[in-house]
Amino acid sequence: DAGVIQSPRHEVTEMGQEVTLRCKPISGHDYLFWYRQTMMRGLELLIYFNNNVPIDDSGMPEDRFSAKMPNASFSTLKIQPSEPRDSAVYFCAGGQGALGNTIYFGEGSWLTVV
Amino acid sequence: RKEVEQDPGPFNVPEGATVAFNCTYSNSASQSFFWYRQDCRKEPKLLMSVYSSGNEDGRFTAQLNRASQYISLLIRDSKLSDSATYLCVVSRGVPYKLSFGAGTTVTVRA
Repeated sequence: DAGVIQSPRHEVTEMGQEVTLRCKPISGHDYLFWYRQTMMRGLELLIYFNNNVPIDDSGMPEDRFSAKMPNASFSTLKIQPSEPRDSAVYFCAGGQGALGNTIYFGEGSWLTVV
Repeated sequence: RKEVEQDPGPFNVPEGATVAFNCTYSNSASQSFFWYRQDCRKEPKLLMSVYSSGNEDGRFTAQLNRASQYISLLIRDSKLSDSATYLCVVSRGVPYKLSFGAGTTVTVRA
């Protein structure tokens, strides 16, 4: 089975540009998570969805960040405008079932904002 | 105070050695505990769940001490392939509300 698929794998962009990160979750996983990982802050949960509905976006750092899940097989995380401090690895992850705790990560999108 | 704290290491050990490290958690209401493994420039992957009575998975042994609020991981007969960062993960029972530690780096040398 295909795992969580993220794109782009690497992106370098200039400050002020819009960045869109994409995620295709594992089929059947009804939970989808966006995490950010930096050396300074470790892994942080940004937002998660259940059955395509955003449940908790309290981790979204500011209004420049937005996430959508228009259907069960696709989600986006958008940063507009991007800033150098947004440079990080962004992971999409999925889980199955309301009692679950195990999540499966994609390979990540490595973002550098210069 | 961070919800999950880990000694960042690094722990540098020779092949075949035993290495052990702990993580502490601050919320006594935590209910589920896990170790994830993250290789350099890769995504985190579940290594093992941690059960109250302690559990083994091959060369890996996990222990939970609820009274002192810490979790441990022991790796026996270390292999070069065990070199990675080990993330301690704690859940308070709300589905998927996971708190990740910053990780403990283990390097196994030949």
